[in-house]
Amino acid sequence: AQSVAQPEDQVNVAEGNPLTVKCTYSVSGNPYLFWYVQYPNRGLQFLLKYITGDNLVKGSYGFEAEFNKSQTSFHLKKPSALVSDSALYFCAVRDRRMAYGQNFVFGPGTRLSVLP
Amino acid sequence: DGGITQSPKYLFRKEGQNVTLSCEQNLNHDAMYWYRQDPGQGLRLIYYSQIVNDFQKGDIAEGYSVSREKKESFPLTVTSAQKNPTAFYLCASSTVAGGPTDTQYFGPGTRLTVL
Repeated sequence: AQSVAQPEDQVNVAEGNPLTVKCTYSVSGNPYLFWYVQYPNRGLQFLLKYITGDNLVKGSYGFEAEFNKSQTSFHLKKPSALVSDSALYFCAVRDRRMAYGQNFVFGPGTRLSVLP
Repeated sequence: DGGITQSPKYLFRKEGQNVTLSCEQNLNHDAMYWYRQDPGQGLRLIYYSQIVNDFQKGDIAEGYSVSREKKESFPLTVTSAQKNPTAFYLCASSTVAGGPTDTQYFGPGTRLTVL
């Protein structure tokens, strides 16, 4: 069975400081990994995904994520946080061996607050 | 929110009523999904459809029904059998090639409140 953990419900960071939102996953095979962001009363927006190749993936709005197979992690990072980055962030995993349908598993979400 | 629209944005329902939430996409995606989001609980899959005239139950299908008569439309009906329907409902779509392009894209959501 697939699962995703986001060990922190809330992350607080000062504006201008680097930020990290953590994600660990469990799949039987090799994963596709995704990050989404959700602003209040809005749908989820796709940020980035890991498919294969370079372990460092760059995405929208200056975000990047690092895939670490040995630690089964896919942490989201940004070198310098903005107040406008404050939102709810979701990590998701899909086992690339599985067909479509119920194979997208989302984590519980991490609320990021960037303080001015 | 891309090419996926959901309506209405806010919906109020009385006890015992059925209500239907609309989801339309112009991305030419084969697959469509409905999720429910409750505070602090992330997303839970209600139903999904891989192709027209076919759909499958997700993890929390009880009290909900769907139809997929057109590729671009996947309406969700919240029936009176759903005992706690107050939530934020999200529709998503994706390709179904089974490869790396299968990224889910989401609509803006519908907030349903039972009065």
